[in-house]
Amino acid sequence: DAMVIQNPRYQVTQFGKPVTLSCSQTLNHNVMYWYQQKSSQAPKLLFHYYDKDFNNEADTPDNFQSRRPNTSFCFLDIRSPGLGDAAMYLCATSSLVGRVYFGPGTRLTVT
Amino acid sequence: AQKVTQAQTEISVVEKEDVTLDCVYETRDTTYYLFWYKQPPSGELVFLIRRNSFDEQNEISGRYSWNFQKSTSSFNFTITASQVVDSAVYFCALSDNTNAGKSTFGDGTTLTVKP
Repeated sequence: DAMVIQNPRYQVTQFGKPVTLSCSQTLNHNVMYWYQQKSSQAPKLLFHYYDKDFNNEADTPDNFQSRRPNTSFCFLDIRSPGLGDAAMYLCATSSLVGRVYFGPGTRLTVT
Repeated sequence: AQKVTQAQTEISVVEKEDVTLDCVYETRDTTYYLFWYKQPPSGELVFLIRRNSFDEQNEISGRYSWNFQKSTSSFNFTITASQVVDSAVYFCALSDNTNAGKSTFGDGTTLTVKP
């Protein structure tokens, strides 16, 4: 019955090696979000898609990019991960003004 | 700019005690949404409640209750008869009324319930 699925749950990558995190949803929501949550901190919005329209937060580093090939899937690409990018990455969906559903998160480790 | 303040960083209680988690927010929007989420050690954010700014009725759901006071910009959360399973980080969040998922989160309150 999982509604927002994130793969993998744990990802280890090397410093500077590109990595892609995946999110899929079964709710058919038109909005998908990516949040970054560093240890003991609040989640911070990186960007969101409203249908195919990409909306970047002003302070999201250029190192982070996203793709949404269809309604169900959204990807987070980190082009050159640094040690400071180690965090939990949370995907979420909503119908814009409805309830927000979060996935279980992907915990990224950078070595 | 929106801001959410959860002044209590950590709270520790003994099982069966009542506990209130405070949330104060700032926004220039006249209509907005407020949320509470629970984050257990597994990391998933569990939705607890969403409140529209124009609905100031208090809400009760089982052992959980929420007190929304627009006059003081507060949206406090009370757990009655706390249980060990309530141990988690609790986040209060705020969004405008055009995009519920574009939320500003407070720093969270870590609740520990001891047996």
